[in-house]
Amino acid sequence: GQNIDQPTEMTATEGAIVQINCTYQTSGFNGLFWYQQHAGEAPTFLSYNVLDGLEEKGRFSSFLSRSKGYSYLLLKELQMKDSASYLCAVMDSNYQLIWGAGTKLIIKP
Amino acid sequence: DGGITQSPKYLFRKEGQNVTLSCEQNLNHDAMYWYRQDPGQGLRLIYYSQIVNDFQKGDIAEGYSVSREKKESFPLTVTSAQKNPTAFYLCASSASEPYEQYFGPGTRLTVT
Repeated sequence: GQNIDQPTEMTATEGAIVQINCTYQTSGFNGLFWYQQHAGEAPTFLSYNVLDGLEEKGRFSSFLSRSKGYSYLLLKELQMKDSASYLCAVMDSNYQLIWGAGTKLIIKP
Repeated sequence: DGGITQSPKYLFRKEGQNVTLSCEQNLNHDAMYWYRQDPGQGLRLIYYSQIVNDFQKGDIAEGYSVSREKKESFPLTVTSAQKNPTAFYLCASSASEPYEQYFGPGTRLTVT
């Protein structure tokens, strides 16, 4: 079966760095997406990785290792507004997104 | 301003009634999707459409129906056959590439 695993909840301090991990087992691989979702709102796109390595975009970076079935989202200089759920999703061989349950990130002052 | 709209934001229905959720996009995207989100679970695909007048079942299509008569519109009907319809429903669209999906604001449906 297809499976995406990410921690249910994480807590971090304002101004710090946090890494959210995602491991996956899917039928084929056509890229991995990270989305941010604030409570009660729609997910918004953060990053897309299809090749191994690190993609940096401002305070957010995303890493992919296809051989390990592993990705992480790195958030630097945390701000209170970063409190949200972070969703990992993998595009399978049929170009359909398989979604993880999301990681709720709590930022404390 | 390009985007996806869903209406209404909150919807209340009595058990046994069918209800239709609207989804409109002006991004000129070919593909559209309907997801359901329940607390503590990932997004689950209900139906998707890659072209007008064609759509496919997702993982949890039972009790739902869709139509795709126009490129811009992809309404979802939650029928009385859906056993647990109370949920947050999200519509999304994407271009062929780069495949990222853009989401509407969602409709929270409560059935009592």
